[in-house]
Parts: sequence; structure tokens; C-alpha cells
Amino acid sequence: NAGVTQTPKFRILKIGQSMTLQCTQDMNHNYMYWYRQDPGMGLKLIYYSVGAGITDKGEVPNGYNVSRSTTEDFPLRLELAAPSQTSVYFCASSDRRGEAFFGQGTRLTVV
Amino acid sequence: DQQVKQNSPSLSVQEGRISILNCDYTNSMFDYFLWYKKYPAEGPTFLISISSIKDKNEDGRFTVFLNKSAKHLSLHIVPSQPGDSAVYFCAAAIQGAQKLVFGQGTRLTINP
Repeated sequence: NAGVTQTPKFRILKIGQSMTLQCTQDMNHNYMYWYRQDPGMGLKLIYYSVGAGITDKGEVPNGYNVSRSTTEDFPLRLELAAPSQTSVYFCASSDRRGEAFFGQGTRLTVV
Repeated sequence: DQQVKQNSPSLSVQEGRISILNCDYTNSMFDYFLWYKKYPAEGPTFLISISSIKDKNEDGRFTVFLNKSAKHLSLHIVPSQPGDSAVYFCAAAIQGAQKLVFGQGTRLTINP
């Protein structure tokens, strides 16, 4: 049982480039989330999904897009990367309220 | 607007003693609270939760206390062990909602 898998683990982007952070879960969870964690800060919700085909914005959605075509996958798209998007990104899933399972994270640096 | 606050960035405790991590919240609509633990280079892992209808929940060495009138919750770890050294996040959910609001985290160090 792999849980929540994120790829890549590390990435360096140049300003203005785009990329997709991949997230997949094998627990058949309906709810999936993308968070970012900046140094010394808590996790901020970027986007979340309550099921395939349904997504909604979190606290800090600007500069990001998501899609949820299947229960398993919830990719996060960064368009026109900016230094402010340098962060650690976590994907998570849950089937019960609040008790989310997290991936290992993607450390992104925009230079 | 920081709705969930952990005012202590770090805490150092001797092995075998009690660790107490604190969390304050401002939104009275929160009705479900959780603690997550995070090791370096790993994602957070769920530790323990409490509903607003309770004031205490225990799971082994971990106990969470909720004081709704003070909008305060705390996590007690007894006895503290070296493997408890990690960053602990407090999180809260609004009634009827699935998404969580996290605090800034407290780095707990257990000294031998």
C-alpha cells in the first residue's frame, strides 16, 4: 500500500517556466488537497477536491491550477513560475474528516 | 489573519518528562481539531484528534485537551521519548467543512 505518492521530490525552475507536480493515491479517498509550507510557517491550502471532477480554491490559489479527472490523481500546475512559489508542496488525501494522509513533499526552488 | 496559532516555535524537554504543546484559535466555527507530527523530509502524519463536543481525548502516551471557552487546545506527551523529536502542527476544521487550517508548528526536541 503506497499511500500518497508525489513526484518529483525536488525541482529547480527558472522564472517564467511551468511545471506540473504529480500526486496519486491508492486508498480510494474522495478528498484530496494541495498544501504549501514556507519556512517557519504552517501549511497553507492551495486547492482541494471533494471528488473526481470537483475542485475548489483554498487560501493561496493564485498562480496555480488543478484538475481531478480520476479519484486517484490530483496534479498541481504552476504557470509562469515566480520566486514567491519557492516552497515545499504537500499533497494529501482523506476519506474521513480531517485525518489526511500526506505525501513526502516536493521541494521547489524558483530562480 | 492567523486563525490557528502556535506561539512557541520550539520546545525542549528532557526524556521521560511531560511535553506540553499549545495551540490557540480564533474562529468559533471550528469544531474539530487535530495534531500532526512531522519529521524532516517527510510529510506530516496524523497523531490525534478531538471533536468540540469533548474536552479530552487519549491515545496511549498522547492526550489532547480542548478548552472551548478559552479557544485553546494542548497536546500532552507522557513520557516523552527521543523519537518524539519532530515538528508538531495543530490543525482545525470548520463545522461542515473538510479542509484544515494549520498552525505554524512547534519544534519539539527531547533531550536524553
